[in-house]
Order: sequence, then C-alpha cells, then structure tokens
Amino acid sequence: GAVVSQHPSWVICKSGTSVKIECRSLDFQATTMFWYRQFPKQSLMLMATSNEGSKATYEQGVEKDKFLINHASLTLSTLTVTSAHPEDSSFYICSASGPYGSYNEQFFGPGTRLTVL
Amino acid sequence: DAKTTQPPSMDCAEGRAANLPCNHSTISGNEYVYWYRQIHSQGPQYIIHGLKNNETNEMASLIITEDRKSSTLILPHATLRDTAVYYCIALKTDSWGKFQFGAGTQVVVTP
Repeated sequence: GAVVSQHPSWVICKSGTSVKIECRSLDFQATTMFWYRQFPKQSLMLMATSNEGSKATYEQGVEKDKFLINHASLTLSTLTVTSAHPEDSSFYICSASGPYGSYNEQFFGPGTRLTVL
Repeated sequence: DAKTTQPPSMDCAEGRAANLPCNHSTISGNEYVYWYRQIHSQGPQYIIHGLKNNETNEMASLIITEDRKSSTLILPHATLRDTAVYYCIALKTDSWGKFQFGAGTQVVVTP
C-alpha cells in the first residue's frame, strides 16, 4: 500500500511554455503533499507544501507565480511550471503523507524529469 | 529540526553488513530519526525511523545511541540493489512532514 504516482515520468518542452506535473496517491487519501526539486548530483530541495483545499505554502526563494500548485482533491496535487526556461530543467519529486494518520509518514513518487530546451 | 551529518560515501561488499553512521548531536527530545534512500533517478524510499529505541524491519535495523546524538543504519546483508544515496533526517513530530534532505551517503555495494 501507500503508492504515489507521478505523470509524466519525463517531459521535454520548449522555453516559454508551461508544463503540468501530476502527483497522485493511489491507495490512500493524502492530507498533505510536498513538492521537491533535485538538480544533478544534488540533494532534494523542498519547494512547497500542498494541503487539500487550501493554498500551497512555498519555501523561501521559490517563486509561487512560477511554480503553481493545486491540490484539488485528497488524491491529486499538480505542479505547473509556467513559462519554463532551461534553468528550470530538473527532477521534480512529490511526496504524500497521511495514509496512517501521521503527517510524518511520507511516501514519494517516482519523479518527473523536466528538460526545457 | 536538528542538522544531521553523514559521511559522503562508503563502499560495501555484497553479502556483508553495511553500517551507515549519522550524527545528530543537536537532536531534541521530540525529534525522530528517519532514514530514506534514493536509487539513481528514482524517488526516495522509506527505510525505517525511530525515536529512542532500536528498531528493526524487513529492510534494516536502526540503532540509536542512548544519548540520541547519533545513530547507525544497518543493512544486514547488502546486495547490489542496495547501491543508493542514503539520507538520515531528524524531524520533529510537529513538523508536518517537512523533510529537509542533507547530502546523504552514497553507498556503493560491490560484488
């Protein structure tokens, strides 16, 4: 149990376009979802916390107007990278918590690799 | 949440036990120690967590010192599939799951 999926697994887009990444909890309701970004040979960096039905909370230095997060249901959160540029190329990973009533029990998705040309 | 310190890398022979240390000298009483690992180009995978007692599951054992300032993750019989970056994270119970990942330890299991 506690499976988290992401779609797409990889995406290539042109500079200036927007890209939407979906994160789904498949067999549980996620009260909270998190979005991370990981550059090559670096660790994961937390971007934002997403709670169902409310606005996302962004970490310092993350542009909320560039990285739009929507958590419309207890099983789906989306991250939209608006007007993507080559420097946004990265590995984006989501995680979800709440399957066993504990916010600290997090399960991660497989990640989405974004390449902006 | 307390900062954790891990060695940047370590090698381990296949079939042998891998002992991964983690220092968290400033950990507070309400902080758990979590271990995750990340195989190349995949999302992190939960391994184990604990507060002050030693813990064991089907993947690993977690040994936490009595003063809680350090811990060791033990992979009892390392396999090539255990090659990954291992992250030790200290997290308060009221942190609402906001993990802050450090650099981790790159473990390479060799035949």
